[in-house]
Amino acid sequence: KQEVTQIPAALSVPEGENLVLNCSFTDSAIYNLQWFRQDPGKGLTSLLLIQSSQREQTSGRLNASLDKSSGRSTLYIAASQPGDSATYLCAVFDAGGTSYGKLTFGQGTILTVHP
Amino acid sequence: DTGVSQNPRHKITKRGQNVTFRCDPISEHNRLYWYRQTLGQGPEFLTYFQNEAQLEKSRLLSDRFSAERPKGSFSTLEIQRTEQGDSAMYLCASSRSSVRTSTTGELFFGEGSRLTVL
Repeated sequence: KQEVTQIPAALSVPEGENLVLNCSFTDSAIYNLQWFRQDPGKGLTSLLLIQSSQREQTSGRLNASLDKSSGRSTLYIAASQPGDSATYLCAVFDAGGTSYGKLTFGQGTILTVHP
Repeated sequence: DTGVSQNPRHKITKRGQNVTFRCDPISEHNRLYWYRQTLGQGPEFLTYFQNEAQLEKSRLLSDRFSAERPKGSFSTLEIQRTEQGDSAMYLCASSRSSVRTSTTGELFFGEGSRLTVL
């Protein structure tokens, strides 16, 4: 059974800092990995999708890396802003077993960027 | 707006009542997913459809839960005889996927339907 863990559970930083969010998964047989952002009481907004054959993806101030063999991904946020405050969720799409439809999520990292 | 749409956004009901949520996916997406999220947790998979076929159901989906996607477009999630433990955010997502390879593209989520069972 795939398990996804995100560290840290919460992070508070001053504006302007660069930061790294970590995600690990137990089964390396994945199709892709996706990072999401969730604001309180809202749905999920897709940030980056990394296919299993890729090592990283970039979008603006965000960079996500994937090391499938070690079961790890990181989300790097450059020059953080108060508007980046949200919960960040990592999710993997399994390729193994009989499940082709299941995206497994971590519990998220709650990020607070203070002015 | 061409994103995933969910209705109603909020539902308050008394224990024992039935509730139904609707999801309209992005029009060209053939896969539709339902997830449930409780406070402080990541979303948990409930079920998904490839076109109108329901291909997988989680053990979380008890017999009080039923999901349909009759014409391969919108989907409904019905909860019968609601219990307080059903209180959660119900999230719908859609993606464009390859039937041949069973792989999937990027998932796009709606704003969710929050259920409160009194």
